[in-house]
Amino acid sequence: EAGVAQSPRYKIIEKRQSVAFWCNPISGHATLYWYQQILGQGPKLLIQFQNNGVVDDSQLPKDRFSAERLKGVDSTLKIQPAKLEDSAVYLCASSLAPGFNEQFFGPGTRLTVL
Amino acid sequence: KQEVTQIPAALSVPEGENLVLNCSFTDSAIYNLQWFRQDPGKGLTSLLLIQSSQREQTSGRLNASLDKSSGRSTLYIAASQPGDSATYLCAVRGQGAQKLVFGQGTRLTINP
Repeated sequence: EAGVAQSPRYKIIEKRQSVAFWCNPISGHATLYWYQQILGQGPKLLIQFQNNGVVDDSQLPKDRFSAERLKGVDSTLKIQPAKLEDSAVYLCASSLAPGFNEQFFGPGTRLTVL
Repeated sequence: KQEVTQIPAALSVPEGENLVLNCSFTDSAIYNLQWFRQDPGKGLTSLLLIQSSQREQTSGRLNASLDKSSGRSTLYIAASQPGDSATYLCAVRGQGAQKLVFGQGTRLTINP
């Protein structure tokens, strides 16, 4: 079974630039999560999708971050404009059903904002 | 608001030792608790998931325990090996909540 795929693996941008990350969850997984992990900290949930609907985006900085999952499969996370404090690893995870099933994580995208 | 704390932040032990990693959480009304492993530059790998009704789970040399009433979980690693070197994260899911709340992790180094 293929795991969660993410691209790119690494990205370096200047502050105020925009960037987008892509995630392809495990086939058949209805729930998709985006997490931000700052160096030395645990991951923090940014947004959760159930199919193509948003379940929780309470911790998403909506003035600069946006995410979509148009067909209920792949998802993109965008930052525009980026700030220095956005430097982090962005992790995508998926689970079979909402809420209470085990989450499977992708390798992450490491973003450096200069 | 649920808060998860892991102590110690870093641990270094010689190969072959048994060791315990600690995780504490402030709200005991959890649905389950999950332990993850994270290697440098990699994503998270799920190690063990304990439902709130369970007291422990075992997988190979790993044993995780859960004491909901005291808000604690431990991850026991037996006969540690250099390949066990990684960051270990615990995460809890509250009842009725769908998101995981993570601790900051324990960075483990096993010295040959």
